[in-house]
Amino acid sequence: LAKTTQPISMDSYEGQEVNITCSHNNIATNDYITWYQQFPSQGPRFIIQGYKTKVTNEVASLFIPADRKSSTLSLPRVSLSDTAVYYCLAHNTDKLIFGTGTRLQVFP
Amino acid sequence: DTGVSQNPRHKITKRGQNVTFRCDPISEHNRLYWYRQTLGQGPEFLTYFQNEAQLEKSRLLSDRFSAERPKGSFSTLEIQRTEQGDSAMYLCASSLTGTGISGNTIYFGEGSWLTVV
Repeated sequence: LAKTTQPISMDSYEGQEVNITCSHNNIATNDYITWYQQFPSQGPRFIIQGYKTKVTNEVASLFIPADRKSSTLSLPRVSLSDTAVYYCLAHNTDKLIFGTGTRLQVFP
Repeated sequence: DTGVSQNPRHKITKRGQNVTFRCDPISEHNRLYWYRQTLGQGPEFLTYFQNEAQLEKSRLLSDRFSAERPKGSFSTLEIQRTEQGDSAMYLCASSLTGTGISGNTIYFGEGSWLTVV
């Protein structure tokens, strides 16, 4: 299972775009990259998953460069309700190994 | 609401007592997982089931912990002789998986908080 490294915390303001970068230098060929969001006292919520290039859904975009050694979660126009912990995982099985995540604080 | 239901949501128990948590996964999901999360940390894998078979157990799952999924549907996690160090949020998750290859979305429940006093 690839180890991931992401910033411990980030601050932003409402309406701004937030980009959280995750490093996974030893990612395996068959690893996928998955991001989860977690609010206090709740379970993690799936945000987005990708293998390479760019993936976009209704809540976020995921950018993965060709070498796949990093990935960037992009949240457009964040609101106060996006304040949460965001986890990046690189995995090729359903056994997920979570790090401590990035604590995003959105200010008014 | 992801469709994974956990009960109870909160449990306060005295040290030495037994507690049991129940998880109802998303219907027809064949894989069910248990995780534990303490304050400030990410979830830690405990065990998982493929249908009714328990396929893997973490070293975190001491002999006081037992998990079952008798009919391949709901699951229970029992902690015997609870200790204060067992205080945590216990998360259940489920997925529909064919061969265990990545790309399957794993859905988590809201968690069951355990406080051992």
